[in-house]
Amino acid sequence: KNEVEQSPQNLTAQEGEFITINCSYSVGISALHWLQQHPGGGIVSLFMLSSGKKKHGRLIATINIQEKHSSLHITASHPRDSAVYICAVCNMDSNYQLIWGAGTKLIIKP
Amino acid sequence: DTGVSQNPRHKITKRGQNVTFRCDPISEHNRLYWYRQTLGQGPEFLTYFQNEAQLEKSRLLSDRFSAERPKGSFSTLEIQRTEQGDSAMYLCASSLSGGADTQYFGPGTRLTVL
Repeated sequence: KNEVEQSPQNLTAQEGEFITINCSYSVGISALHWLQQHPGGGIVSLFMLSSGKKKHGRLIATINIQEKHSSLHITASHPRDSAVYICAVCNMDSNYQLIWGAGTKLIIKP
Repeated sequence: DTGVSQNPRHKITKRGQNVTFRCDPISEHNRLYWYRQTLGQGPEFLTYFQNEAQLEKSRLLSDRFSAERPKGSFSTLEIQRTEQGDSAMYLCASSLSGGADTQYFGPGTRLTVL
């Protein structure tokens, strides 16, 4: 079993839909990152969370430390949101290495 | 643009050749990380530096791989005697300290070994 699991693996939606991507982890963490990677592009860090909820524009990230679960939401989705979204956790026991989820490939159709 | 730069962006080489990549982190960041990402997979940790000290290396980092950060600023990753399996995107990230600090990623260097 992977230490960081994301769902769904692939998601196709229409422009304007509300998007939710989930991340569950099994290790003790100091923080959780949500990152975005466009095809052929570099990785951009969207959020770093250790508790609660953060919002930036149309993106919202939440984390429940007790349940070891995080969600990334996109409101009023747009085709430019199409990318791979990756959840990664800072493992407290491994000198703060990031443990990565496999990513969720999101396609927003116009 | 996150402020982390990597050069070159693309490298095509023949099997058996040596290649070197460079990463320039955000200037005040003291931690620097190298990751490798193969097609369809998430990034895999390779190594990280706290200032000029290389504190941890993944078992993925074979003897053909070496990384340096001589002055605690930029870092280089060298692969000797490249193999086709080394073809991947090599990502660099930096952070101010570690743990709860956000890692900022560079655009990556895509290596193709023919």
